[in-house]
Amino acid sequence: DAEITQSPRHKITETGRQVTLACHQTWNHNNMFWYRQDLGHGLRLIHYSYGVQDTNKGEVSDGYSVSRSNTEDLPLTLESAASSQTSVYFCASSGGTGGNTEAFFGQGTRLTVV
Amino acid sequence: DAKTTQPNSMESNEEEPVHLPCNHSTISGTDYIHWYRQLPSQGPEYVIHGLTSNVNNRMASLAIAEDRKSSTLILHRATLRDAAVYYCILRGSGTYKYIFGTGTRLKVLA
Repeated sequence: DAEITQSPRHKITETGRQVTLACHQTWNHNNMFWYRQDLGHGLRLIHYSYGVQDTNKGEVSDGYSVSRSNTEDLPLTLESAASSQTSVYFCASSGGTGGNTEAFFGQGTRLTVV
Repeated sequence: DAKTTQPNSMESNEEEPVHLPCNHSTISGTDYIHWYRQLPSQGPEYVIHGLTSNVNNRMASLAIAEDRKSSTLILHRATLRDAAVYYCILRGSGTYKYIFGTGTRLKVLA
């Protein structure tokens, strides 16, 4: 069965370190998304991509970057981790165009910056 | 991006129907109405979506107002496993982003 997987599921890192969270989907979806979820804020969009070599900033993109070198993967990089980036991160993908397609979400990565 | 408004929380008794409302007064003609839910410690999962007509699937039903300014997610018989945060999202043809609000936290009482 097709799926979307995130790794690692849990990570603890130190302030100032570069961290990369992996997201891999096997649906061959063009659209991929990264969200963060904090208590009281729901899910907030960090970055998204509509295809290979395409990346776009979401509402909370400062301190994060993504690259899309193939269809299956959209890694999220924290250039210099800060305590404010302690959060649960979700990756998602969807296919097709327009609003008539559903998204599939990963199980999340819990990141703690100490 | 068009906004949605949902109650912060609702309660339901087990095995009774639940009607979760969503207001989206600024919806455009090409916006689809999507519902997702998030169980504790899990990623969001798709529930249902529609454009104009009411929709049914194995999980729920979606009732869309005639003017499309509101919709209701209907769980026909709530179970304890349905306790989750339910999100109503508009997704248009011009952008493929999913913008989440704060959702409705559904509590199911045994």
